[in-house]
Amino acid sequence: AQSVSQHNHHVILSEAASLELGCNYSYGGTVNLFWYVQYPGQHLQLLLKYFSGDPLVKGIKGFEAEFIKSKFSFNLRKPSVQWSDTAEYFCAVISNTGNQFYFGTGTSLTVIP
Amino acid sequence: EPEVTQTPSHQVTQMGQEVILRCVPISNHLYFYWYRQILGQKVEFLVSFYNNEISEKSEIFDDQFSVERPDGSNFTLKIRSTKLEDSAMYFCASLGGSLVDVHFGNGTRLTVT
Repeated sequence: AQSVSQHNHHVILSEAASLELGCNYSYGGTVNLFWYVQYPGQHLQLLLKYFSGDPLVKGIKGFEAEFIKSKFSFNLRKPSVQWSDTAEYFCAVISNTGNQFYFGTGTSLTVIP
Repeated sequence: EPEVTQTPSHQVTQMGQEVILRCVPISNHLYFYWYRQILGQKVEFLVSFYNNEISEKSEIFDDQFSVERPDGSNFTLKIRSTKLEDSAMYFCASLGGSLVDVHFGNGTRLTVT
């Protein structure tokens, strides 16, 4: 069965630190990959997505992610975090059939001013 | 930009009652999903729906849950006999045929008392 793993459950960083959140998936076929952010008390907001082409994807708010097919990974990065980046981050994967659209367990990011 | 709309935004019900959560997906989308998120926890996949039938469902989606697309526009989730542990935010999503154009609704917060 397809699954999505986010190994970092809770990350605490100081402002201006660099961020990398891990996401790995298990699925044998072609997938489309997403990162979502959820600010406290709010709904999911799309940060970026990958479906083909350049494996380095740039999203909103200075975030980027790199798809490494050989590692089944799609890690999220940001060179310099801000206090306002404090939120929950979810990786998601859609199978090439569209039937399976699963989320990882989420990573809680706290940025200390 | 088109939106997925969910109604109601908040529903309070008594244990054992039936509830119907409504979603209006993007009109030309093909795939539809329901998720739930218990407060502060992960986004849990419930069910995916394609071509007027369930294409995938999780262990959570037991006999007390059902989905319908009764009129070609609405996409409903019914919980027949609610339990306290059904209290959560329920999100609907729709996906276009390209498998990258995903839109989420703002969710229905269900409170079971």
